[in-house]
Amino acid sequence: AQSVTQPDIHITVSEGASLELRCNYSYGATPYLFWYVQSPGQGLQLLLKYFSGDTLVQGIKGFEAEFKRSQSSFNLRKPSVHWSDAAEYFCAVGLSNFGNEKLTFGTGTRLTIIP
Amino acid sequence: NAGVTQTPKFQVLKTGQSMTLQCAQDMNHEYMSWYRQDPGMGLRLIHYSVGAGITDQGEVPNGYNVSRSTTEDFPLRLLSAAPSQTSVYFCASSTRTSRQTQYFGPGTRLLVL
Repeated sequence: AQSVTQPDIHITVSEGASLELRCNYSYGATPYLFWYVQSPGQGLQLLLKYFSGDTLVQGIKGFEAEFKRSQSSFNLRKPSVHWSDAAEYFCAVGLSNFGNEKLTFGTGTRLTIIP
Repeated sequence: NAGVTQTPKFQVLKTGQSMTLQCAQDMNHEYMSWYRQDPGMGLRLIHYSVGAGITDQGEVPNGYNVSRSTTEDFPLRLLSAAPSQTSVYFCASSTRTSRQTQYFGPGTRLLVL
């Protein structure tokens, strides 16, 4: 069965600093990978996704993520964070049959931004 | 399009009571899913459906029932609520087409006393 690990429960960064959120997955085949963001009291919004091809994917709000098969990782990055980026971030993996009816989520990383 | 809608937004139940969480989507999506979100555990799949009349269990199905009589609706039933079912519940939908993504509803916060 697939699994996702987000090793950082909580990260604090200064506004304007760079950000990297870690995600490692375990899956026997080519995974479909996703990053979602959840603002307090809200649902989940898709930031970006990887299915195949270019291993560096661009998403909304200036985020990007890089798929590294050798490291089983799909880390999320942003060069300069804004106070509005404070939220919880979830990495998820989907089955490669269709990739969209069953997602396995990581436990999330809560991001705090300090002025 | 309203997207994925969920009702109610918040509900308090007593142990042993039953209730149905409603989920509807107006995007003609074939796939629909229910997740629960608990602190420190991320989202876990409860049940999912790949089309009207077809449902299957996810990671944590015990204590929950689902049915899918129409493409639009995918209700989640708690037959006898337990405090362990206190959680935030999210419904999601997506198309059958490969490489599509799930769209999530705003969630239902459930408290079981």
